[in-house]
Amino acid sequence: DTGVSQDPRHKITKRGQNVTFRCDPISEHNRLYWYRQTLGQGPEFLTYFQNEAQLEKSRLLSDRFSAERPKGSFSTLEIQRTEQGDSAMYLCASSRPGQGAPYEQYFGPGTRLTVT
Amino acid sequence: DQQVKQNSPSLSVQEGRISILNCDYTNSMFDYFLWYKKYPAEGPTFLISISSIKDKNEDGRFTVFLNKSAKHLSLHIVPSQPGDSAVYFCAASARETSGSRLTFGEGTQLTVNP
Repeated sequence: DTGVSQDPRHKITKRGQNVTFRCDPISEHNRLYWYRQTLGQGPEFLTYFQNEAQLEKSRLLSDRFSAERPKGSFSTLEIQRTEQGDSAMYLCASSRPGQGAPYEQYFGPGTRLTVT
Repeated sequence: DQQVKQNSPSLSVQEGRISILNCDYTNSMFDYFLWYKKYPAEGPTFLISISSIKDKNEDGRFTVFLNKSAKHLSLHIVPSQPGDSAVYFCAASARETSGSRLTFGEGTQLTVNP
């Protein structure tokens, strides 16, 4: 088990372009989360999947953001028409209820997005 | 609306001494609390957690204390080691109303000096 992986680790894009990030959770983890972290702040919740169902979305997830987990395994987060304010670290986490401490989420290394 | 606050952006302690990191929250619906540690270029790593039905949880050098009436929790590290130098995040969950989402504080940079 190699932990949560995210790809790419870094992404530089021009304003107005679309970007897509991928997250591969720990195998057998049925819950997957996306968070965003900006400089000097803690991670902020974006959205959460249980298997392939997207169960919760934050108001931070504007219409330009969409997340999918089509087969209940890996997930993608797409940002359309990027803006400079989208520059942040995008973190993915996964968990399996009943494994470890309740609500313990395992985080990936993150994808750092820079919008120029 | 910052529901979880870590008022100390940084803390510096000597190796072998106690490190105390503090966290305050405002949402009375929070019923589960966690501490994460983050090194540069890595994702947060889970350290220790506590349910609201307890006031203390201990795991090796790490102890978390919860004071529900004051809406305050703290993480004690004894003895502190240079490898503990990292950013520490406090996080909370309100299981009845917000499912599995975690609400994080801003983080405290701990530096342990040899």
